[in-house]
Amino acid sequence: EADIYQTPRYLVIGTGKKITLECSQTMGHDKMYWYQQDPGMELHLIHYSYGVNSTEKGDLSSESTVSRIRTEHFPLTLESARPSHTSQYLCASSDQQREGQFFGPGTRLTVL
Amino acid sequence: GENVEQHPSTLSVQEGDSAVIKCTYSDSASNYFPWYKQELGKRPQLIIDIRSNVGEKKDQRIAVTLNKTAKHFSLHITETQPEDSAVYFCAASIWNNDMRFGAGTRLTVKP
Repeated sequence: EADIYQTPRYLVIGTGKKITLECSQTMGHDKMYWYQQDPGMELHLIHYSYGVNSTEKGDLSSESTVSRIRTEHFPLTLESARPSHTSQYLCASSDQQREGQFFGPGTRLTVL
Repeated sequence: GENVEQHPSTLSVQEGDSAVIKCTYSDSASNYFPWYKQELGKRPQLIIDIRSNVGEKKDQRIAVTLNKTAKHFSLHITETQPEDSAVYFCAASIWNNDMRFGAGTRLTVKP
């Protein structure tokens, strides 16, 4: 079934650790996005990509990086996690043929 | 760039009443306006959308209206039920690009 997958779903780590949040989609979409969201609050765009080897920064500077080597895969890396990074991270994808963005289940990150 | 404002931030209604959430956008080039529902602990899900060549769209108990001149659009939920309780987000984009979301409205439907 076409869907968006995120791993891990929950992560608790210590300050200063480097982590990578995984996002994969089998929707066949060319565009992918990362959002940071405190539960039930505003969606903040962190990074987005309109295709392979294309990445752009969003409005929220979160000291993270992304890569888009394969169409279906869009990992987010935090080089040095801080308690302020504690939040939920949502991955989404879209394309021109079908409107709207489709979201993954999210990764809930806690940095101690 | 596009700026989307959404209000109210919280809305509480009695079961069976109607609920209306309003959004305004700044970029007159925006032509696609989706609405998302996010239940507690779940991902946002697209519930209805409207394009700029249409003034109103209905799907059972939910409807969306668009006023291009005033650059605002609204979500209407009739005969609300407790399962309608969630956070609702509006968004605006140009041909599904550069989508900007509103800050969200927390709707509570009291039984």
